[in-house]
Amino acid sequence: EPEVTQTPSHQVTQMGQEVILRCVPISNHLYFYWYRQILGQKVEFLVSFYNNEISEKSEIFDDQFSVERPDGSNFTLKIRSTKLEDSAMYFCASTRGGAATDTQYFGPGTRLTVL
Amino acid sequence: AQSVTQPDIHITVSEGASLELRCNYSYGATPYLFWYVQSPGQGLQLLLKYFSGDTLVQGIKGFEAEFKRSQSSFNLRKPSVHWSDAAEYFCAVFAQKLVFGQGTRLTINP
Repeated sequence: EPEVTQTPSHQVTQMGQEVILRCVPISNHLYFYWYRQILGQKVEFLVSFYNNEISEKSEIFDDQFSVERPDGSNFTLKIRSTKLEDSAMYFCASTRGGAATDTQYFGPGTRLTVL
Repeated sequence: AQSVTQPDIHITVSEGASLELRCNYSYGATPYLFWYVQSPGQGLQLLLKYFSGDTLVQGIKGFEAEFKRSQSSFNLRKPSVHWSDAAEYFCAVFAQKLVFGQGTRLTINP
């Protein structure tokens, strides 16, 4: 069964450093999402992406964040200058369509630790 | 604004016992509701979803959920839990993206 993959599984970085989290969505999916979960808190929506554009973003997704689909398979989340509060589990998800009836398939997550 | 509340942060049940995980939502229109499960080291896996029609929906792994509009609830149930059901369970509503509850951690006693 096809699945969403994410790398790395765990990333440790120093405050102020840039990080890039990578995701490979399911191959025939067109809509891509990033969510994050700070330890002990809810899974929160960050951004959705379709047709090489951001469809929607949350207030969390400020200028420090960016997303890109650099080739036909990868979908990346970049944090330019990490803060302590960026420490969280980051989940990538993809769907075939963008409607509620399209199941979002999630990757296993990348745990980001900012020191 | 749309929101989801899972009142129970942690639940412990004995293997073979029945289970009910609570979920309440706040959403202005007809909700599209989901339950996801997250096992350690795994991503979020869809258990079941409700869009319309029959208010009792069946999912994978023997789970079911009942949509009650009058109570704004979408509780997850299983008649007899197995040790492998130990995981974190998330309820969510779709509002152009998934809006999740806090999650309920399920522990199974042998």
